[in-house]
Amino acid sequence: EVQLQESGPGLVKPSQSLSLTCSVTGYSITSNYWGWIRKFPGNKMEWMGYISYSGSTSYNPSLKSRISITRDTSKNQFFLQLNSVTTEDTATYYCARCDDNPYWYFDFWGPGTMVTVSS
Amino acid sequence: DIQMTQTPSSMPASLGERVTISCRASQGISNYLNWYQQKPDGTIKPLIYYTSNLQSGVPSRFSGSGSGTDYSLTISSLEPEDFAMYYCQQYDSSPDTFGAGTKLELK
Repeated sequence: EVQLQESGPGLVKPSQSLSLTCSVTGYSITSNYWGWIRKFPGNKMEWMGYISYSGSTSYNPSLKSRISITRDTSKNQFFLQLNSVTTEDTATYYCARCDDNPYWYFDFWGPGTMVTVSS
Repeated sequence: DIQMTQTPSSMPASLGERVTISCRASQGISNYLNWYQQKPDGTIKPLIYYTSNLQSGVPSRFSGSGSGTDYSLTISSLEPEDFAMYYCQQYDSSPDTFGAGTKLELK
C-alpha cells in the first residue's frame, strides 16, 4: 500500500525557511503527482503545489515567490521549501499523492506534521 | 481563485441520522468536486471524487451529488466513526481550493 510520511522541524523562526520531507513507500514518485497541502489553525485548508512524475511543478500563485517543491527519486522522497515564513505559515502540513487517471483527487495522505512559526 | 462556500460550518447530529453537507462554488466547476474526511487524530482520507464516485473502501452510506455550482455530501445513517471534519475541494480551475470545512458533532 502507498504510504506517505512527512518529516521536518516543528518550529521555525520568522523570516527563515521551512523545509519538509515527504517519504513515500509502496509506490514510485516517478508516477502520478505529489502534492503539499496545509491546514491552518481554524481549519482552513490550502493547496500549496505539486511535483509531477516528470519533475515538473505547479504552485499556488499565492505562494509562488516563496515555494519550491523538489524531489529525490533515488530515495523516493519529495520536498517542500517555503521561504521567508511568517506566523501566518503556522499550520499542519500534509503531503499527498494525487490520482489523475482519469479523475484528479488526493487518494493517499501522510499523517501531517505541525509546524509553528515563532521566535 | 474559485471560492468554495461550505455549509454548515458545524452540525450536531445523532447516531442513525441522515445528514447533508453542501458546497457552493463561486462559478460553475463542471462536477470537478471531491470530498474528504478528516478524523480527530488529523488523518485525512478521500470519500467521494468527481462529484459522486465513491472511493474504494468507503461505506455506501456516503454519497455525493450536484452540478454546476452546487454540490452535496450525504451520509444516510450516521455511525460513531463518522463524527469528523469534512471538506470539499474543487479542481476545475487552478489553484485547487477547499471549502472551509464542516465539523460533524455528536448531539
